[in-house]
Amino acid sequence: GENVEQHPSTLSVQEGDSAVIKCTYSDSASNYFPWYKQELGKRPQLIIDIRSNVGEKKDQRIAVTLNKTAKHFSLHITETQPEDSAVYFCAASGTGNQFYFGTGTSLTVIP
Amino acid sequence: DVKVTQSSRYLVKRTGEKVFLECVQDMDHENMFWYRQDPGLGLRLIYFSYDVKMKEKGDIPEGYSVSREKKERFSLILESASTNQTSMYLCASFSVAYEQYFGPGTRLTVT
Repeated sequence: GENVEQHPSTLSVQEGDSAVIKCTYSDSASNYFPWYKQELGKRPQLIIDIRSNVGEKKDQRIAVTLNKTAKHFSLHITETQPEDSAVYFCAASGTGNQFYFGTGTSLTVIP
Repeated sequence: DVKVTQSSRYLVKRTGEKVFLECVQDMDHENMFWYRQDPGLGLRLIYFSYDVKMKEKGDIPEGYSVSREKKERFSLILESASTNQTSMYLCASFSVAYEQYFGPGTRLTVT
């Protein structure tokens, strides 16, 4: 089955700096890669996703890149703000419609 | 807007009790999932269902069973609760566009 690894597990950045979270996956058949943000005590919410036919996708301060050859994808947050502080999960999905999650990154943005 | 609801936000049960966690979605999604979330382990798939009365084991099905009698409702059953089942349980529903929508979660404590 699929194996998704996520790094780092914790990340602290100064407000205004950029944050990058990286994930690798093992199954070359995976073709959908969502990112979720989970604030304390709340449900995970989809913030951005990318499909295997695209190399990069951007939505305001958030971007995701995908390298299918190397089997890794990354979340980039620019101009970080305190409200970006949360746990971020990556996931991979492909055949069988199952989602495999990374172990999460706890991001702290220091004002 | 997709709505996924879970029957309880917090639940305390005793060891050996039978526990029912219910999840309801209102978007006519065929795919539904149950995950448990533990610190440092991310989200792990317990069971999923791709149609009424259809179910598949996920990565950690031991000690759990599920029921899907109606399309909108997916129940997770702990046949005999144990302390190592203390966790946050998240239900999710899956659209044809591959996007997962999560419920608010049930924090279960087994004493």
